[in-house]
Amino acid sequence: DTAVSQTPKYLVTQMGNDKSIKCEQNLGHDTMYWYKQDSKKFLKIMFSYNNKELIINETVPNRFSPKSPDKAHLNLHINSLELGDSAVYFCASTPGNSYEQYFGPGTRLTVT
Amino acid sequence: QKEVEQDPGPLSVPEGAIVSLNCTYSNSAFQYFMWYRQYSRKGPELLMYTYSSGNKEDGRFTAQVDKSSKYISLFIRDSQPSDSATYLCAMRLDSWGKLQFGAGTQVVVTP
Repeated sequence: DTAVSQTPKYLVTQMGNDKSIKCEQNLGHDTMYWYKQDSKKFLKIMFSYNNKELIINETVPNRFSPKSPDKAHLNLHINSLELGDSAVYFCASTPGNSYEQYFGPGTRLTVT
Repeated sequence: QKEVEQDPGPLSVPEGAIVSLNCTYSNSAFQYFMWYRQYSRKGPELLMYTYSSGNKEDGRFTAQVDKSSKYISLFIRDSQPSDSATYLCAMRLDSWGKLQFGAGTQVVVTP
């Protein structure tokens, strides 16, 4: 059983489009995250939700909007996509204040 | 200057050698230190976790934290081709804080 799953795995789209990435975890964790990993492998946190409440909101363009419909899901919607948005986006989850974060397989976004 | 510095490599070693990885950081308030392993086209997975200073050993892996020097290390003994991956250090201020990652070091273990 997949612990943290993301859809789609690959996403190729044109500049200016709007797209969404979905994340689901079946671990019963309270906290979920979105990370962006650029071409140099640098992993940077974007958002974090705890029990559907936004707790971390890094300096991210407001074209990016996270949504948590329930504790097990965290989606990321991106408006007006730009070339610089091309990256791998990872979802992660963690129980309570545990140090260990469980990562999903990533969504490779390519903006042309 | 980034809060966490890590040499991106690649670091190439023959099978059986010791792999030595390290990160330096600037924020002395970091208390929780982790090493994640990321295989190509996969998500990172937690390898080692250390709270505050000291050493921790788990099988072939040893993590060291030297808070006075703001320096953490990961050693892999008897390296195997299956250890070929990118290793990312990560740290946080407290149990609720965000993780600050290093850039990751690509390790290649050749048979």
